Amino acid sequence: DTAVSQTPKYLVTQMGNDKSIKCEQNLGHDTMYWYKQDSKKFLKIMFSYNNKELIINETVPNRFSPKSPDKAHLNLHINSLELGDSAVYFCASSQVPGGLYNEQFFGPGTRLTVL
Amino acid sequence: TQLLEQSPQFLSIQEGENLTVYCNSSSVFSSLQWYRQEPGEGPVLLVTVVTGGEVKKLKRLTFQFGDARKDSSLHITAAQPGDTGLYLCAPHTRGSNYKLTFGKGTLLTVNP
Repeated sequence: DTAVSQTPKYLVTQMGNDKSIKCEQNLGHDTMYWYKQDSKKFLKIMFSYNNKELIINETVPNRFSPKSPDKAHLNLHINSLELGDSAVYFCASSQVPGGLYNEQFFGPGTRLTVL
Repeated sequence: TQLLEQSPQFLSIQEGENLTVYCNSSSVFSSLQWYRQEPGEGPVLLVTVVTGGEVKKLKRLTFQFGDARKDSSLHITAAQPGDTGLYLCAPHTRGSNYKLTFGKGTLLTVNP
């Protein structure tokens, strides 16, 4: 059984388009995250939701809008895609939002390519 | 602002060799996690260290947390091709507001 799943695995689109990435976790966790990993493998947090409430919102363009319809789902919608948005986007979840032993479980990633 | 440095950035070795990678900062951490990311996958937690000077072993991997809790090392004995991946350290600092900040990682390649 997949713990954290993302769709699609690959996404190739034109500049200016709007696209969404979906994430689901079946671990019963309260907290979910979106990370962006650039071409140099730098993994940086974008957003975090705890119990459907936004708790982390890093300096991300407002073209990026996360939505959490319930605790098990966190989707990412991106408007007006730009070349610089090309990256691998990872969804993750954890049982609690913080703490010393907070283990994050990552999805397999969505490779977004903007042409 | 916390500066987190992982070294080396790249490491390519032969099967059977030993290696050590490092995670350093000028900040004191409450805890630190090591994750491994295999090609095409998401990161997976290897270990969490909490106490200064703590040493944890996971088969051929040995993790150490510095006495001052500002740095950590990961030593791999007799590396195998299956150890290939990106090793990321992620410290947790008090008042970090739930954020897990990742280092830029060490990309390890173990050649058969």
